[in-house]
Amino acid sequence: DAKTTQPPSMDCAEGRAANLPCNHSTISGNEYVYWYRQIHSQGPQYIIHGLKNNETNEMASLIITEDRKSSTLILPHATLRDTAVYYCIVRLNYNQGGKLIFGQGTELSVKP
Amino acid sequence: EPEVTQTPSHQVTQMGQEVILRCVPISNHLYFYWYRQILGQKVEFLVSFYNNEISEKSEIFDDQFSVERPDGSNFTLKIRSTKLEDSAMYFCASSDAAGVTYEQYFGPGTRLTVT
Repeated sequence: DAKTTQPPSMDCAEGRAANLPCNHSTISGNEYVYWYRQIHSQGPQYIIHGLKNNETNEMASLIITEDRKSSTLILPHATLRDTAVYYCIVRLNYNQGGKLIFGQGTELSVKP
Repeated sequence: EPEVTQTPSHQVTQMGQEVILRCVPISNHLYFYWYRQILGQKVEFLVSFYNNEISEKSEIFDDQFSVERPDGSNFTLKIRSTKLEDSAMYFCASSDAAGVTYEQYFGPGTRLTVT
């Protein structure tokens, strides 16, 4: 299983972009990068995922480096409600049941 | 927007008692999961379930645990004889496919406290 490395915590000013990095140097060619977040012990919430290309949805953007060894989740205009633990997960092959393996994540604090 | 629901939100039980945690996955989903999170620790996979059988289970999911889909809507996790270390948040999740590109939707969790 590809492992991920994330900083344990980050701060961001409200209204500014939050850039959350993730290293996944052992990722294999058919593994996707997923991002989830968990707000204060609620159930994890899906944010975005990608394989090679950069992706954007209504919540965030995902930038994956060309060698796929790292990625960055971007929240373009962080709000106080974005304060959460953010998990970068490299997804296992589907025939292994599709389980998600969570690490410790990055605790993002958005401050006024 | 459809969502995964879980009941109860909080369950207190005595050590050695049986508990059943209930989940209603999103209606057209086919894959179901249980995860747990001990206070202050990371979210851990317990079991995945598809086509009325377990697809995969972790080392945590020992003989004390079982899962069932008793009807077309509910998905349950049973712990036969609870231990103090079973105290945790238990999250149910569902997905409309186990393919890599399909995300899992999580419920709000059941907080289990074993005394």
